[in-house]
Amino acid sequence: AQKVTQAQTEISVVEKEDVTLDCVYETRDTTYYLFWYKQPPSGELVFLIRRNSFDEQNEISGRYSWNFQKSTSSFNFTITASQVVDSAVYFCALSNWDGSGNTGKLIFGQGTTLQVKP
Amino acid sequence: DAGVTQSPTHLIKTRGQHVTLRCSPISGHKSVSWYQQVLGQGPQFIFQYYEKEERGRGNFPDRFSARQFPNYSSELNVNALLLGDSALYLCASSSRQGGNEQYFGPGTRLTVT
Repeated sequence: AQKVTQAQTEISVVEKEDVTLDCVYETRDTTYYLFWYKQPPSGELVFLIRRNSFDEQNEISGRYSWNFQKSTSSFNFTITASQVVDSAVYFCALSNWDGSGNTGKLIFGQGTTLQVKP
Repeated sequence: DAGVTQSPTHLIKTRGQHVTLRCSPISGHKSVSWYQQVLGQGPQFIFQYYEKEERGRGNFPDRFSARQFPNYSSELNVNALLLGDSALYLCASSSRQGGNEQYFGPGTRLTVT
């Protein structure tokens, strides 16, 4: 069975602090994709990153960075020098493989609510 | 380019009624997926359509149905509404069936009273 766990329900930080959002996944597939989405109060999910299971390189995009470790089935997300505009719910998601190809089904975690205070 | 659009934005229905939600994907995208997001939880997969065919179905009752039109827009229908169907319904489009990033619309907030 596929599953995504985001153990941190809520995190509160002060502006300019660094913050890491944890994501642990379960899958029996050797081919899969991992994603992070941001959901601001407006409700629309905003795509942040996609990573396939064969690429364990860490990625940095501005203040955002992602650490993918297959050995621990984790795909953690770090925001450096957080800003008030980073306040949102962040979701980690997994896309599985059905034998003939990747399906379009995203399996989401419960989400982590990040509050950045000025 | 326009993103994923959904209509209506908000909807209030009574138990037992039927509802139709609509989604237009990003131009050039052939895959549309539907998700239900109950307050405080992550989105749950309902359906995926690719090239007008159903390619995936989540663990939802038969009261939920969907279809995709030749222009790749999609409708989600829910019959015999229950109070538990109150949620944000999200539509996502993607250029391929699977693996690619999915881009989400703003959602339709359905309230069943």
